[in-house]
Amino acid sequence: DVKVTQSSRYLVKRTGEKVFLECVQDMDHENMFWYRQDPGLGLRLIYFSYDVKMKEKGDIPEGYSVSREKKERFSLILESASTNQTSMYLCASSSNAGFGVTQYFGPGTRLLVL
Amino acid sequence: DQQVKQNSPSLSVQEGRISILNCDYTNSMFDYFLWYKKYPAEGPTFLISISSIKDKNEDGRFTVFLNKSAKHLSLHIVPSQPGDSAVYFCAASGTGGTSYGKLTFGQGTILTVHP
Repeated sequence: DVKVTQSSRYLVKRTGEKVFLECVQDMDHENMFWYRQDPGLGLRLIYFSYDVKMKEKGDIPEGYSVSREKKERFSLILESASTNQTSMYLCASSSNAGFGVTQYFGPGTRLLVL
Repeated sequence: DQQVKQNSPSLSVQEGRISILNCDYTNSMFDYFLWYKKYPAEGPTFLISISSIKDKNEDGRFTVFLNKSAKHLSLHIVPSQPGDSAVYFCAASGTGGTSYGKLTFGQGTILTVHP
């Protein structure tokens, strides 16, 4: 079974703080993704990575950055947290094998920025 | 520009009856479609998928239908069970070029199955 883990289930941060969200997958997947989920808006892609040290902007990258130093680990960084970044953050991974599109998700991190 | 749309925010169904969740897309380059199920405070889990070369795919109680000409797909759950109560997301992908397996998700539909 694919396992995607996220470092925290719940986080409370102050406006202006730098926030790190960590994601680790154990299936040697090439691709990793960061989404945020907000009611009525579905899942929106923030950033993704198709290889170590490679990153691509998704649909809503503003205010975020990412880091992928190892194949199994993908970090999302909120440079200066703002209240509009309060959300559920979901990490996912997928393999290039076959169609290579089925993504496997972690449990999510619910972030509250005060 | 919402390329994948789930126009029904919620659906309520009686246990044992059929649940039909709908999804429309606008991008004709999409050629692979997936449904995910999400419980509160958990990540989405993959449910079923369909390639554009098919018009139907079935897995147990779940069937996905694809109508390419209408750019429409639907998920049928028969019979519905209370444990099916969750948010259902439709997702689409264009597998060619440099998509790297990117998915575009709809807004989600909250399904409630009443005992």
